[in-house]
Amino acid sequence: QVQLVQSGAEVKKPGASVKVSCKASGYTFTTYDVNWVRQATGQGLEWMGWMNPNSGNTGYAQKFQGRVTMTRNTSITTAYMELSSLTSEDTAVYYCARAYSSGWYGNWLDPWGQGTLVTVSS
Amino acid sequence: DIQMTQSPSSLSACAGDRVIITCRASQSISTYLNWYQQKPGKAPKVLIYGASSLQSGVPSRFSGGGSGTDFTLTISSLQPEDFATYYCQQSYTTPYSFGQGTNLEIK
Repeated sequence: QVQLVQSGAEVKKPGASVKVSCKASGYTFTTYDVNWVRQATGQGLEWMGWMNPNSGNTGYAQKFQGRVTMTRNTSITTAYMELSSLTSEDTAVYYCARAYSSGWYGNWLDPWGQGTLVTVSS
Repeated sequence: DIQMTQSPSSLSACAGDRVIITCRASQSISTYLNWYQQKPGKAPKVLIYGASSLQSGVPSRFSGGGSGTDFTLTISSLQPEDFATYYCQQSYTTPYSFGQGTNLEIK
């Protein structure tokens, strides 16, 4: 079945970087974009950006420009999201999701990874 | 950036009730609107895409409508497993923004 499996929880100090992985299986990895979304505790969903696994092209929300880098390794069907200069405001669950697309309907996120909790604390 | 506004932010209802959640975009997004359901501690799950298309495996009591700037998610007869938080998301243009969520609680 189509599945995204993310790496485990991380604890980082302010100013550090974190890199979260997202292993895809059950479909052709290079066919669909991967999006990243985060959710602070008790808060809503915040879209961070997208990556095309075939070309490596990316697009980031303005809020994260300069701090986020989305990459991939096609040989192991894994996408990565690295966030730098962490502050306590970055404490959240980070999700990867496949962007299933159709020209007529746009695209939607399905499935999602299980989420990775990143805690930023001194 | 396109702003997505859901109403209400929270809603109490009983099993068997019909519930409507609305989502408004700050500019026209045609029908590039998705709805997700999220339960505590779980990743979101898509219910509706393209404003009104039901994702495979989602019960038919869920339906979506609207176009342009105004959209609805309707649950025709609430089941106990439907108590969750619901989010709309536009896929018209990046950043693919979400609404703030609607928390559906048991009355």
